[in-house]
Amino acid sequence: GEDVEQSLFLSVREGDSSVINCTYTDSSSTYLYWYKQEPGAGLQLLTYIFSNMDMKQDQRLTVLLNKKDKHLSLRIADTQTGDSAIYFCAENYGTNAGNMLTFGGGTRLMVKP
Amino acid sequence: DAGITQSPRHKVTETGTPVTLRCHQTENHRYMYWYRQDPGHGLRLIHYSYGVKDTDKGEVSDGYSVSRSKTEDFLLTLESATSSQTSVYFCATGTDTNYGYTFGSGTRLTVV
Repeated sequence: GEDVEQSLFLSVREGDSSVINCTYTDSSSTYLYWYKQEPGAGLQLLTYIFSNMDMKQDQRLTVLLNKKDKHLSLRIADTQTGDSAIYFCAENYGTNAGNMLTFGGGTRLMVKP
Repeated sequence: DAGITQSPRHKVTETGTPVTLRCHQTENHRYMYWYRQDPGHGLRLIHYSYGVKDTDKGEVSDGYSVSRSKTEDFLLTLESATSSQTSVYFCATGTDTNYGYTFGSGTRLTVV
């Protein structure tokens, strides 16, 4: 696996858009993922994008992938207080023991009313 | 996630005692993983399994062992717990597709 970097913290006002950024280093990654972790819970898969795509939209979530710069972002439109959580990006890499994921350190999103 | 159960959910133990954490899945997923989550470190892979009795080390495997005697159960053992092993431990499962992992709800372990 390779390094995946994220900023630690993001604060937005309710109703605004949130953009969480991630950089990765493994150019051979075929899939990139966004997970959400609410307090006291495990990680929940939000969405993923195949590496030959530039963008993927799923309701309020938009994932942008810049493969040249190895930059991934997650945009949450009309952010709600229920979106407050830690968001992890992850990249996959293949091994002889199957598909493995490397996770970033997580970005804590705080949504203010 | 209803298909993955971690037990116990919380545990306090003394330094030097053995501890076993259990992960049970009903997903019939081939791959299983143990991670620990610590502030400032994100998720770090401890051990993983790619089939019954097939396991391998992750990046932070020292002080930990695992066993997988059947598809649905993956056990993580701390042979002699230390305070540095105080953490939240997550189990995850995966398949041969690229649709990511499914995570359990975690075990909060405190070593005093």
